[in-house]
Amino acid sequence: KNQVEQSPQSLIILEGKNCTLQCNYTVSPFSNLRWYKQDTGRGPVSLTIMTFSENTKSNGRYTATLDADTKQSSLHITASQLSDSASYICVVSANHNTNAGKSTFGDGTTLTVKP
Amino acid sequence: EAGVAQSPRYKIIEKRQSVAFWCNPISGHATLYWYQQILGQGPKLLIQFQNNGVVDDSQLPKDRFSAERLKGVDSTLKIQPAKLEDSAVYLCASSHPNYGYTFGSGTRLTVV
Repeated sequence: KNQVEQSPQSLIILEGKNCTLQCNYTVSPFSNLRWYKQDTGRGPVSLTIMTFSENTKSNGRYTATLDADTKQSSLHITASQLSDSASYICVVSANHNTNAGKSTFGDGTTLTVKP
Repeated sequence: EAGVAQSPRYKIIEKRQSVAFWCNPISGHATLYWYQQILGQGPKLLIQFQNNGVVDDSQLPKDRFSAERLKGVDSTLKIQPAKLEDSAVYLCASSHPNYGYTFGSGTRLTVV
């Protein structure tokens, strides 16, 4: 069964500090992995998308890494800001015979940035 | 480009009542999804449309949930009758093969 496990479940850090969120998956065959940010009361917004051949991708202060051999990804947030407080969701898609593929969502990591 | 539009933003109903949600995807996105997101969990796929055809509705509770996308553009999701455990955020998303998913802001349903 395809699964996506995220850790930690929740995290509290001080403004300006860095943090790293983890995503482990068992989805196979792998197509791509995406990180989303979901603010309270809003829909998820895409941060990064990585395919099998990519092992790092940045979007401003967000840097995602992918190790397809160990089936692990991380999202590193640098110099955190209060606006980074949100839920971060890892989504892994299987190589499927449809246009969009079959995606498995993690339950997310809730990040709280305090002043 | 305009995003995925959903309405209403919030809805409170009593159990056993009916409710309907509406979604307008991004223009040109052939694939449309409805997700249910319970507090503290990731979104769970309810149904996926490709144009106006259903691709995957394996996790849709068909005894009470229904969805349609008659002209391959807008979609509606209906719950009839609602149960307390249906309280959740219902997210609509659309996708294009080259651009991935775009989510709407969701409808927060509270069943009392």
